[in-house]
Amino acid sequence: SQELEQSPQSLIVQEGKNLTINCTSSKTLYGLYWYKQKYGEGLIFLMMLQKGGEEKSHEKITAKLDEKKQQSSLHITASQPSHAGIYLCGADRGNQGGKLIFGQGTELSVKP
Amino acid sequence: DGGITQSPKYLFRKEGQNVTLSCEQNLNHDAMYWYRQDPGQGLRLIYYSQIVNDFQKGDIAEGYSVSREKKESFPLTVTSAQKNPTAFYLCASRVAGADTQYFGPGTRLTVL
Repeated sequence: SQELEQSPQSLIVQEGKNLTINCTSSKTLYGLYWYKQKYGEGLIFLMMLQKGGEEKSHEKITAKLDEKKQQSSLHITASQPSHAGIYLCGADRGNQGGKLIFGQGTELSVKP
Repeated sequence: DGGITQSPKYLFRKEGQNVTLSCEQNLNHDAMYWYRQDPGQGLRLIYYSQIVNDFQKGDIAEGYSVSREKKESFPLTVTSAQKNPTAFYLCASRVAGADTQYFGPGTRLTVL
């Protein structure tokens, strides 16, 4: 079973709408990373969260880590076609050479 | 420009042949990682290396081999023992003591 569960697996939204992607772990997260991937390309780093309750924003994307450090959400405000792609959350396993485990990804499509 | 390069972008091989995927970085990063991505499964760690001449198995190392003779290079060999080698392969690197991994553009391997 996945140690990190992402939901939803896929999402289609109308341009201009807000959306949220969730990433849930059964274990405490030492560090939570959000990446974006265009199909067939590498991962682009978006944000990293470490502290419980932490929130970071970049342009129209906001990521939060809950107080228990077991769930993170990625929120996109006023979505644009450029936001389309696959969003992946990754988690540091803690003191293991920086190894990350990843959720299965959320595929986002934005309709113009 | 600094970054991580992977070559080739697309690779086709016949079943039973070994194939080597290249990963080079000029970021002076200490740690390097190889991941495999399959549809709907996110990324899974194959091998990682924290310093030159040292590397460790990840979660799915069977059928793969690596070397780390130079800091900037971490080639991955997909051997004939890998039962299902067709996948998208991603290389990443990280500065020792830092948190974030940065990814290359990936190599799509198709075994015919």
